[in-house]
Amino acid sequence: DTGVSQDPRHKITKRGQNVTFRCDPISEHNRLYWYRQTLGQGPEFLTYFQNEAQLEKSRLLSDRFSAERPKGSFSTLEIQRTEQGDSAMYLCASSFGDSPLHFGNGTRLTVT
Amino acid sequence: EDQVTQSPEALRLQEGESSSLNCSYTVSGLRGLFWYRQDPGKGPEFLFTLYSAGEEKEKERLKATLTKKESFLHITAPKPEDSATYLCAVQAAGAGSYQLTFGKGTKLSVIP
Repeated sequence: DTGVSQDPRHKITKRGQNVTFRCDPISEHNRLYWYRQTLGQGPEFLTYFQNEAQLEKSRLLSDRFSAERPKGSFSTLEIQRTEQGDSAMYLCASSFGDSPLHFGNGTRLTVT
Repeated sequence: EDQVTQSPEALRLQEGESSSLNCSYTVSGLRGLFWYRQDPGKGPEFLFTLYSAGEEKEKERLKATLTKKESFLHITAPKPEDSATYLCAVQAAGAGSYQLTFGKGTKLSVIP
């Protein structure tokens, strides 16, 4: 069990640029989640995949955000035309069925 | 709308000084209540899941309890390595609901 892996750990980008983050879940986990966390707040749900199907999306996920999980393995989260308000820690988590979520250490995004 | 309120926001304890953290919640039917620990710059680490009022779980110096409206995380004789932010989250019952709603956390500092 190597845990949930996220890449990159840090990303600094200029406003208006596109960014993409990658998440590699624990290998036998069929469920994958994306959360966003800002300083002093708890994580906020963004979206959820079961295998390759995206089954649930938060209202927080504007049309500038898109997530994919091709072949039900790794996942990517893309943010287009970044805004300063997108600066946050983006957390990925995975689980097998209804087991508790295991989180990665996140990608910290700074939009300048 | 599901809500989770944690108190206090921050807590400083002397090593060995026992205390409790509170998590109050409102949810349309509880599927599960979760406690996580988060160290600076890292993702949340799973501690406990509680499913029904009256349930208790223990792990080393930590004990989590659940009532119909709140949960407590009791810390007995804490050590400096227990310093972290403790997050509480709820999952609502209902078909297709997989997201967790988190509180803002309690930042615990244990002073030697």
